[in-house]
Amino acid sequence: QVQLVQSGAEVKKPGASVKVSCKASGYTFTGYYMHWVRQAPGQGLEWMGRINPNSGGTNYAQKFQGRVTMTRDTSISTAYMELSRLRSDDTAVYYCARREYSSGFLPYWGQGTLVTVSS
Amino acid sequence: DIQMTQSPSSLSASVGDRVTITCQASQDISNYLNWYQQKPGKAPKLLIYDASNLETGVPSRFSGSGSGTDFTFTISSLQPEDIATYYCQQYDNLPALTFGGGTKVEIK
Repeated sequence: QVQLVQSGAEVKKPGASVKVSCKASGYTFTGYYMHWVRQAPGQGLEWMGRINPNSGGTNYAQKFQGRVTMTRDTSISTAYMELSRLRSDDTAVYYCARREYSSGFLPYWGQGTLVTVSS
Repeated sequence: DIQMTQSPSSLSASVGDRVTITCQASQDISNYLNWYQQKPGKAPKLLIYDASNLETGVPSRFSGSGSGTDFTFTISSLQPEDIATYYCQQYDNLPALTFGGGTKVEIK
């Protein structure tokens, strides 16, 4: 069965960077786009971008351009999302989610990683 | 950018009630509209894809309809386990995805 297992919670200071991992299993990692979505406390869902694990190609939401980097390591079926120059309003749960083939819906989600930005 | 306006932002209903949530797109998105359920502390769960298709394993009391700019999500008979926040999500302009603001459903 498809599983996405994310790294643990992080506490960072403003200005620092954070790198969240998402290890995939139960399917061919390079066959499906991986998206990243975040959710600030008590708020809605916000799309951050996606990576094509096969080519490494990325697309980022304009809001995060220049601050976010999505990468992958195909040898260990793991996707990464790094966010730099952290601010307090980056405090959120960050989710990876696998897209269904040739579609725009996300049937599989990681458990989420809480990133807290605090001085 | 396509904006998704979801309403109401919250509602309270009794067990067995019919619950309806609407989602309006700022432009025509055909049927590229999905619905998710999110319970506190959990990741979102896909319920409906492409406006009206029930995801495998999802109870038939959940349904979706609509196309173009106006979409509806319905719970035909609200159950206690349906307490959650529901989100619509469009994908007409891939790769970008846009979510609605969410509807919190509570039991009266």
